Amino acid sequence: GAGVSQSPSNKVTEKGKDVELRCDPISGHTALYWYRQSLGQGLEFLIYFQGNSAPDKSGLPSDRFSAERTGGSVSTLTIQRTQQEDSAVYLCASSLGSSTIYFGEGSWLTVV
Amino acid sequence: AQSVAQPEDQVNVAEGNPLTVKCTYSVSGNPYLFWYVQYPNRGLQFLLKYITGDNLVKGSYGFEAEFNKSQTSFHLKKPSALVSDSALYFCAVRDTDGNFNKFYFGSGTKLNVKP
Repeated sequence: GAGVSQSPSNKVTEKGKDVELRCDPISGHTALYWYRQSLGQGLEFLIYFQGNSAPDKSGLPSDRFSAERTGGSVSTLTIQRTQQEDSAVYLCASSLGSSTIYFGEGSWLTVV
Repeated sequence: AQSVAQPEDQVNVAEGNPLTVKCTYSVSGNPYLFWYVQYPNRGLQFLLKYITGDNLVKGSYGFEAEFNKSQTSFHLKKPSALVSDSALYFCAVRDTDGNFNKFYFGSGTKLNVKP
């Protein structure tokens, strides 16, 4: 696609439920990143995928968080047993090799 | 350790005046430096980057940034601010040594341009 596409754009879920957030990177981009941004705050690195290499999961805050990338393209970030502190914007970005990363519009998650 | 610092949480400037948003970095290798802008309820948009070459980099919307190796800085500038420039600005660095895959982002600077 022309840009990084994320869905859903907004999600309200009850505490304890699982959620899945989807990211469709720019076509041909080999690298994919997930970041989390709390309201008006900075970016927190979550996970990075590069081609067929093992992902860098060093930023995942707990074992309730997981992500996969199927076929080297679309990625899904899953949060199990959501907590209120998980409320944030989840930003996906992609890049081609060592170049600039481009962000999607984010998935706004609210846990009530 | 690799890091990026944006020392100002907020910058206020009057429309028509020049603006500067500060950024300093720390990396072990040569840096790739970036500026992004985030408008309310939107994702981050790429503004400009420095990889190599001329220390003064020009980007979108009339913004420019100057790479200063001795001061390890990459300040964002614009000669004449517009009210529409009001947004959250993030500096980022990518290290060419070590984990090249990671981008390190600053904490962001909120720019307020008043009419």
